[in-house]
Amino acid sequence: NSKVIQTPRYLVKGQGQKAKMRCIPEKGHPVVFWYQQNKNNEFKFLINFQNQEVLQQIDMTEKRFSAECPSNSPCSLEIQSSEAGDSALYLCASSLAGQYYAEQFFGPGTRLTVL
Amino acid sequence: GDSVTQTEGLVTLTEGLPVMLNCTYQSTYSPFLFWYVQHLNEAPKLLLKSFTDNKRPEHQGFHATLHKSSSSFHLQKSSAQLSDSALYYCALSENSGTYQRFGTGTKLQVVP
Repeated sequence: NSKVIQTPRYLVKGQGQKAKMRCIPEKGHPVVFWYQQNKNNEFKFLINFQNQEVLQQIDMTEKRFSAECPSNSPCSLEIQSSEAGDSALYLCASSLAGQYYAEQFFGPGTRLTVL
Repeated sequence: GDSVTQTEGLVTLTEGLPVMLNCTYQSTYSPFLFWYVQHLNEAPKLLLKSFTDNKRPEHQGFHATLHKSSSSFHLQKSSAQLSDSALYYCALSENSGTYQRFGTGTKLQVVP
């Protein structure tokens, strides 16, 4: 069973507010991913890290999100100014390696509602 | 670019009947394919993934075969159980990238 921890489980924000969520990857997993799962259950990759370095991110993440994975602290994903369209389940996953065949272990997600 | 297609949004089956969920993909390179399962209000978890050789991965009665000729990795099970009701995602990872691209998912409903 996955031991990826995500907090908070639920987050409610008004439009324009910051929304911050955290993730503790499985112990020993250097690679962390963030995905957005929308109301149609579609996954969108947002950003990933290997140790503290960003591996890849999409345009939207670069412009509107702030993410980091500091050493010895939880990883975090923050939306700078929430929009209604950001309402979704944000899933954090970690893997043992950055190789493309590595299994990802998912946390339970943070469900963000933007009013 | 790479992509994953799951054509069925919802599959409803009677318990005991065989399961087949479709997954096709487009990839420039030799990809790895994965099936993840997400039960209601739970995190997605890996069900099975393709091998580099021609072995057929199996787990919990499910299996899938990577057919490079047809770019498919369909998920199958000989007899559906009520507990198989969940969302199933096919995902692809290429050796040029570092993350997995997910299909739109198929909701499997198994009824008595």
